[in-house]
Amino acid sequence: DVKVTQSSRYLVKRTGEKVFLECVQDMDHENMFWYRQDPGLGLRLIYFSYDVKMKEKGDIPEGYSVSREKKERFSLILESASTNQTSMYLCASSLRTGGEKQFFGPGTRLTVL
Amino acid sequence: GESVGLHLPTLSVQEGDNSIINCAYSNSASDYFIWYKQESGKGPQFIIDIRSNMDKRQGQRVTVLLNKTVKHLSLQIAATQPGDSAVYFCAENTNTGFQKLVFGTGTRLLVSP
Repeated sequence: DVKVTQSSRYLVKRTGEKVFLECVQDMDHENMFWYRQDPGLGLRLIYFSYDVKMKEKGDIPEGYSVSREKKERFSLILESASTNQTSMYLCASSLRTGGEKQFFGPGTRLTVL
Repeated sequence: GESVGLHLPTLSVQEGDNSIINCAYSNSASDYFIWYKQESGKGPQFIIDIRSNMDKRQGQRVTVLLNKTVKHLSLQIAATQPGDSAVYFCAENTNTGFQKLVFGTGTRLLVSP
């Protein structure tokens, strides 16, 4: 089975802090994704990556950046955390491009005070 | 546990009943669909998928039906169990651009013993 792990289940940060969320997958998947999940809004795509060092903006990239230095690892960075970035963050991976099913990590519940 | 949606439509059933969860998708060009299950405090878990050249696909205790004419997808769960209690949401591959998945907001299934 695919395993996607995220570095923290719960995180509390202060406004203005730089925040790193880490995601690792163990199945040699090409694609990795970062979503945020908010009540009533469903999953919204922040950034995705289809290869090492490649990244593409999703639907809501503002206030975020990403890094993919190794195939198995995809990091989400909040340059200066704000209270409206309080959310559940979900990482996912899929084998290759083109509408493949995505496998999700357990999520990180981030609270920005 | 964490709630993934405070105002989700809810389906309440008795243990042993069959459950039907519906999803209206947005894009007539979508060619691939997935159902996910998300338990409280966890990441989404893949259940079953279907491609647009099919109208029905069965798994273990689950069946997905696709009606392309009215852009409707349904998930049927046979002999529903308390462990099926979760939020269920559909995803579609809109077959545009990078072929990102677009996720619905979900339906909460509550199973009473």
